[in-house]
Amino acid sequence: DVKVTQSSRYLVKRTGEKVFLECVQDMDHENMFWYRQDPGLGLRLIYFSYDVKMKEKGDIPEGYSVSREKKERFSLILESASTNQTSMYLCASSGQGAIGANVLTFGAGSRLTVL
Amino acid sequence: AQTVTQSQPEMSVQEAETVTLSCTYDTSESNYYLFWYKQPPSRQMILVIRQEAYKQQNATENRFSVNFQKAAKSFSLKISDSQLGDTAMYFCAFVLTQGGSEKLVFGKGTKLTVNP
Repeated sequence: DVKVTQSSRYLVKRTGEKVFLECVQDMDHENMFWYRQDPGLGLRLIYFSYDVKMKEKGDIPEGYSVSREKKERFSLILESASTNQTSMYLCASSGQGAIGANVLTFGAGSRLTVL
Repeated sequence: AQTVTQSQPEMSVQEAETVTLSCTYDTSESNYYLFWYKQPPSRQMILVIRQEAYKQQNATENRFSVNFQKAAKSFSLKISDSQLGDTAMYFCAFVLTQGGSEKLVFGKGTKLTVNP
């Protein structure tokens, strides 16, 4: 069964800490995405990547960065965590080509609490 | 602006009944894809159904069907014979093409509760 695995299901960090959220997919997918999910706001795109070492900003990239050194791994980095980054973070991937033609597969999510 | 609007933050339905979740969107594209995703409590997001805009026939997946009204930019999800396992957040989503890139834009979601 194809999978998108997010390394941490729950994290608690302190303000100012550097935080790494890891996402690995085993489907040889080209496209990978990081979303943030908040109640009443739905899912908002932070960053996405169409290829190794390639990244594009989504709708809310401020305070975040990403890394994609290998095709299967897409990392989200909070350089200096703040309390307003407390949220659920969802990673997703899809195959080569148009997003519409290739369904997104999601990970289980990483719930981050910043104290 | 190209957006997705789900006007019902919460809904409830009795088991075995039918419920319809609404979604409207705004786009200037002529061909595009629309999706409904389901997120059960504490579980991962999964695709429920997908519709290609150039297809006039409404998509159907077992108990799930859509009412796609292209001119009205409406994309509602009908769940027939509701089951307790249908309790979840439901998100309508739309593929936005911007600056040569594609991304999936989600509505704010509808929390559906199926009552026994």
